[in-house]
Amino acid sequence: DQQVKQNSPSLSVQEGRISILNCDYTNSMFDYFLWYKKYPAEGPTFLISISSIKDKNEDGRFTVFLNKSAKHLSLHIVPSQPGDSAVYFCAAHGAGGTSYGKLTFGQGTILTVHP
Amino acid sequence: NAGVTQTPKFQVLKTGQSMTLQCAQDMNHNSMYWYRQDPGMGLRLIYYSASEGTTDKGEVPNGYNVSRLNKREFSLRLESAAPSQTSVYFCASSELQGDGYTFGSGTRLTVV
Repeated sequence: DQQVKQNSPSLSVQEGRISILNCDYTNSMFDYFLWYKKYPAEGPTFLISISSIKDKNEDGRFTVFLNKSAKHLSLHIVPSQPGDSAVYFCAAHGAGGTSYGKLTFGQGTILTVHP
Repeated sequence: NAGVTQTPKFQVLKTGQSMTLQCAQDMNHNSMYWYRQDPGMGLRLIYYSASEGTTDKGEVPNGYNVSRLNKREFSLRLESAAPSQTSVYFCASSELQGDGYTFGSGTRLTVV
């Protein structure tokens, strides 16, 4: 039972264009969402997060949008740079119940930004 | 500031062998976690420790045991390795349950 889903295994974009990575979740107890970035042979690193009380959070070139009614979030990278090429993981945790405090991750999306 | 340190970085085991993956963090974090990463599966939680002295099962605990040795260290043990345990293992820590995690660089384990 995959509670956090990233249905696109890979995404390829041109440098300077927008990258949009999508994530869907099924657990209505999730109230905090995060994106992690992972380079080969390294551990994931935190990128940006959003609380369920917001619908948008920006940090420089990165913006995360949350649509609670659709149980969907997306990460926008504008403009995309070759150094953004990595695996991006969506993650979520909940305020209570069995999901409290434990991050549940999606399968990851491989982003390739071409020069 | 090393963050989260995992040893070893690579390991090859024969089926049935045992080994312990070590993890240490120097950020004085309360919570620690072990995940495995498999292609197409993302990161799945094996065990976690919300605070020193406590451990709990995650999503895929079968075949593993853990020890929270002290606040800094959280080890993962494979008692009898199986090929299905071939994976990349990540240790992570957070100050509080639910905070963003800091991950180690991973241990790539192959069981033949």
